[in-house]
Amino acid sequence: EADIYQTPRYLVIGTGKKITLECSQTMGHDKMYWYQQDPGMELHLIHYSYGVNSTEKGDLSSESTVSRIRTEHFPLTLESARPSHTSQYLCASSEPGAGGNEQFFGPGTRLTVL
Amino acid sequence: SQKIEQNSEALNIQEGKTATLTCNYTNYSPAYLQWYRQDPGRGPVFLLLIRENEKEKRKERLKVTFDTTLNQSLFHITASQPADSATYLCALEGGGNKLTFGTGTQLKVEL
Repeated sequence: EADIYQTPRYLVIGTGKKITLECSQTMGHDKMYWYQQDPGMELHLIHYSYGVNSTEKGDLSSESTVSRIRTEHFPLTLESARPSHTSQYLCASSEPGAGGNEQFFGPGTRLTVL
Repeated sequence: SQKIEQNSEALNIQEGKTATLTCNYTNYSPAYLQWYRQDPGRGPVFLLLIRENEKEKRKERLKVTFDTTLNQSLFHITASQPADSATYLCALEGGGNKLTFGTGTQLKVEL
């Protein structure tokens, strides 16, 4: 079982609310990632970080923002949630070695915006 | 544009048989190819990784092949069990250690 945690697991909120999805890992990994996944669809990378104070946008454009102040913590924030933000959000971490980039995933947060 | 294709239709097989899942890609030169398992409502779990210069990799009942001339990877589960029922995702690793995932193939192993 990977030591990567996401809270909350489920969130239902109204349009216009500000939300923060939490992600923490206890493995000391430098690299962390946020993916968005709709039912039956592929994971899309929306943000990633190579370490403290490093954040980059992923391949899928997202209105969310992220921060990386501590190695173990990589929260994702939506300033004003909209129904189009309804999706599953998955956090992952990795410590690439010579053998590639196995990623460890959290259980995900299922967000519903009404 | 870069594309990863996995069978969108579910694969139904009988217990004890070998399941074979396909991952095809275009406009990619991946350094590594990975396979993950995802159960409903859960995050993916890493299974196997194969390098571009490797033809085959095995782990217990799992086998992965990687043919860079065909731009294809095959994922095999031998002696399949109902507990193997899940969605299996193919992921390609390119520059910057970032992964690009396919949509996955749902496997159902029936008694």
